[in-house]
Amino acid sequence: NAGVTQTPKFQVLKTGQSMTLQCAQDMNHEYMSWYRQDPGMGLRLIHYSVGAGITDQGEVPNGYNVSRSTTEDFPLRLLSAAPSQTSVYFCASSREGLGEQYFGPGTRLTVT
Amino acid sequence: QKEVEQDPGPLSVPEGAIVSLNCTYSNSAFQYFMWYRQYSRKGPELLMYTYSSGNKEDGRFTAQVDKSSKYISLFIRDSQPSDSATYLCAMSPYNNNDMRFGAGTRLTVKP
Repeated sequence: NAGVTQTPKFQVLKTGQSMTLQCAQDMNHEYMSWYRQDPGMGLRLIHYSVGAGITDQGEVPNGYNVSRSTTEDFPLRLLSAAPSQTSVYFCASSREGLGEQYFGPGTRLTVT
Repeated sequence: QKEVEQDPGPLSVPEGAIVSLNCTYSNSAFQYFMWYRQYSRKGPELLMYTYSSGNKEDGRFTAQVDKSSKYISLFIRDSQPSDSATYLCAMSPYNNNDMRFGAGTRLTVKP
């Protein structure tokens, strides 16, 4: 099992550009989530999904869109990148609830 | 005030020491409590997962939850250099559909 995979590992964007961060899991988990990690702030929940076709907002959803068409994939879209979105982004999955989560390796995003 | 407060450290201890890591929180709705370990430039990995108050032990690790004081702890016995990492506390309310993390405590165990 690959677990949770994320692509790309690194990305540099210019302000106003859009992009999609990819996340996939092969554990047949129902729950998937996206976090951002900033120095001194810990991880903050952006969006999560409790199953295919169902998504909801987390603590910091503004500027991000998600959709979940399959159990395996949960992409995160940045519609118009801003420097404030410079961060490390982690995707996670879990069988039930957001408690016992398995995290991916992260995507380091810089917006200039 | 943040919902979850965690001393960022850094904390440095000699090999073999007992380590105590702590978090306080303000939201009484939190029912699930977790500790994650994160090595540099890696994703967090789950160490301990507890529900409500009490103690849970797993090898050298013990998690304690005191809901009356809104305080959780992680103890590491016989600490090893391989325990050097950032430790994140996390908590979730009764429906387990939200998650709040502490900022993390950076621990170094010196040989």
